[in-house]
Amino acid sequence: SYELTQPPSVSVSAGQTARITCTAEVLAKQYAYWYQKRPGQAPFLVIYKDTERPSGIPERFSGSSSGTTVTLTISGVQAEDEGDFHCQTADSSGSVLFGGGTKLTVL
Amino acid sequence: QVTLRESGPTLVKPTQTLTLTCTFSGFSLSTSGMCVSWIRQPPGKALEWLARIDWDDDKYYSTSLETRLTISKDTSKNQVVLTMTNMDPADAGTYFCVRTAFDSWHFDFWGQGTLVTVSS
Repeated sequence: SYELTQPPSVSVSAGQTARITCTAEVLAKQYAYWYQKRPGQAPFLVIYKDTERPSGIPERFSGSSSGTTVTLTISGVQAEDEGDFHCQTADSSGSVLFGGGTKLTVL
Repeated sequence: QVTLRESGPTLVKPTQTLTLTCTFSGFSLSTSGMCVSWIRQPPGKALEWLARIDWDDDKYYSTSLETRLTISKDTSKNQVVLTMTNMDPADAGTYFCVRTAFDSWHFDFWGQGTLVTVSS
C-alpha cells in the first residue's frame, strides 16, 4: 500500500474533464506535486504547490486542495494527456512520499 | 536547458553492487540550492525516492534502503553517482536521476531513466 492514495485508473472521453484525486493526512499540512509520465518518456511536473502550473504546461491542467485531498483536474482532455499521473509530497522530516499512480485513459 | 541522463549496467546479478551515473547539464551542483535525487520505479509499481545530494554535499537516504545506498557527486564533471549494494530481483526497475528543489523536495527535471534487470 502507499501512503498517498490515488485511484488506479481514470477514463474519460476526449474533450471531457478528468479529475484525479490524491488523499493522505499529510496533505492537510504539506504541498502536493503532480507528475505526468507518458510511455517511453521521462516524467514531468505538471502542478506544484497544490495549484501552481509550471511554465509550458497547458492551462487545461489545474490543481486544488481541500483538507486531506488534492485533485488534479484536466479540462478538455486531449489524446496526448494519456499516461500515468503521480502525486507526491514530503513530510516535515523530508520523507518523500509518492502515490501509487493513476492511469489516465482517453476514450 | 536542463537535461539529465542516466547511465549504467542494464543487467546485474543478485548480490552484486549497482553503480549508476547521472550526467547533467544546464545547472551546477556547486550552486547554492541545487540538489539531485535518484528515484526508481519497479515494473507496475509506484515511484520510490532513493537518495538526494545537495550542493553543499549534504546527503539524504530512504530510511528503508539507507544501509545499501551511497550517493556522491563530481561537480567538475557534472555527475552524480548512486551505488546500491546487494542487489535483489526486487530492485529491478527504471532508475531516474532528477533535479530536486532544495526546500520543497519536489522534482522539476527528470532524466529518461535507465532500466535495470536483476537476474543470474
